[in-house]
Amino acid sequence: GENVEQHPSTLSVQEGDSAVIKCTYSDSASNYFPWYKQELGKRPQLIIDIRSNVGEKKDQRIAVTLNKTAKHFSLHITETQPEDSAVYFCAARRSSNTGKLIFGQGTTLQVKP
Amino acid sequence: DAGVTQSPTHLIKTRGQQVTLRCSPKSGHDTVSWYQQALGQGPQFIFQYYEEEERQRGNFPDRFSGHQFPNYSSELNVNALLLGDSALYLCASSLGAGADNEQFFGPGTRLTVL
Repeated sequence: GENVEQHPSTLSVQEGDSAVIKCTYSDSASNYFPWYKQELGKRPQLIIDIRSNVGEKKDQRIAVTLNKTAKHFSLHITETQPEDSAVYFCAARRSSNTGKLIFGQGTTLQVKP
Repeated sequence: DAGVTQSPTHLIKTRGQQVTLRCSPKSGHDTVSWYQQALGQGPQFIFQYYEEEERQRGNFPDRFSGHQFPNYSSELNVNALLLGDSALYLCASSLGAGADNEQFFGPGTRLTVL
């Protein structure tokens, strides 16, 4: 079935350090992988996404890598800041004409000043 | 440019009751998807509406139903509420039902079932 596993569930880093969150998906037909940031009491917001025809994508301090063979994708945040503290969700969507996103369980990132 | 809006923000119901949640998509969007987010979990897909029809459904019982209106707004109805239905219900809108379209989330409705 469709499943996305996300690790770790919690991550604590010092300000300025890097943070890495990893996800594994089960559906080999998945071809779109977004990452959402959800601050406490707020809506999930898309921060970066990657499609299966690309291995890496970067946007300032955020990057995402995709390994289709291993069905892994990861979020990398460099030079973390306290405002990066939030819950991060990875998701996957298959290539058929559908909007169904399969989410991971979430990672609570705490950036200590 | 209005984003996705949802109402009400909070709702308290008792077991066995029925509830209706509402969503207005982002301006220019015509597709609405609904998700259930239990505390400490990722959102789970309930269903998607496009052209006033349910296009895809997740693993939710028939107690969960929906509707889309000609102005693209949508409702989620849940009958015979159970304690386990307590969650944040998120609506997401997009342009078209295609797989390449980014989904924008609303702020959610927090449903508590007592």
